[in-house]
Amino acid sequence: DVKVTQSSRYLVKRTGEKVFLECVQDMDHENMFWYRQDPGLGLRLIYFSYDVKMKEKGDIPEGYSVSREKKERFSLILESASTNQTSMYLCASSNRATDTTDTQYFGPGTRLTVL
Amino acid sequence: AQSVSQHNHHVILSEAASLELGCNYSYGGTVNLFWYVQYPGQHLQLLLKYFSGDPLVKGIKGFEAEFIKSKFSFNLRKPSVQWSDTAEYFCAVNPYTGRRALTFGSGTRLQVQP
Repeated sequence: DVKVTQSSRYLVKRTGEKVFLECVQDMDHENMFWYRQDPGLGLRLIYFSYDVKMKEKGDIPEGYSVSREKKERFSLILESASTNQTSMYLCASSNRATDTTDTQYFGPGTRLTVL
Repeated sequence: AQSVSQHNHHVILSEAASLELGCNYSYGGTVNLFWYVQYPGQHLQLLLKYFSGDPLVKGIKGFEAEFIKSKFSFNLRKPSVQWSDTAEYFCAVNPYTGRRALTFGSGTRLQVQP
């Protein structure tokens, strides 16, 4: 089974802090994604990566950056956390090389609260 | 850019009732279609997917969905719901070409009463 893990289930930070959210997948997937999930809005794509050191902006990249130094790890960075970034953050991975449908597998999520 | 609409935001059913959740997408090209489910306190998991062939696809736990290309729809169905189906359901699309990332609908919260 694919396993996607996220470093924290719950995180509380203060406005202006730099925040790192870590995601690791154990299935050698080439694609990794970061979404945020808000009530009534579904999941919205923040950033994604097709390969090591590659990144692409999603639909709501403002205020975020990402890092992918190793294939299995994809980090989301909030440069200066703000209260409107309070949300549930979901990481996902997929492997188009072996699955043309690009099915994504999700981690458990990190619920971030910015005070 | 593609978009996905889920028209039912909150559905309340009694056990054994039939379920149909609507999903429409806007994209002119070929797409893969997905339904994901998120049970309370659990991570998002795949319920079923369509990528080609028979437009009626079957998933886990007795769910099925029908792709109607002419209507750009991918509605989820289950003939008889159980209390354990209480969850949030998300429809999602990714195109064959261009950005291969999922676009999600806003979700439907299903509450099944015993």
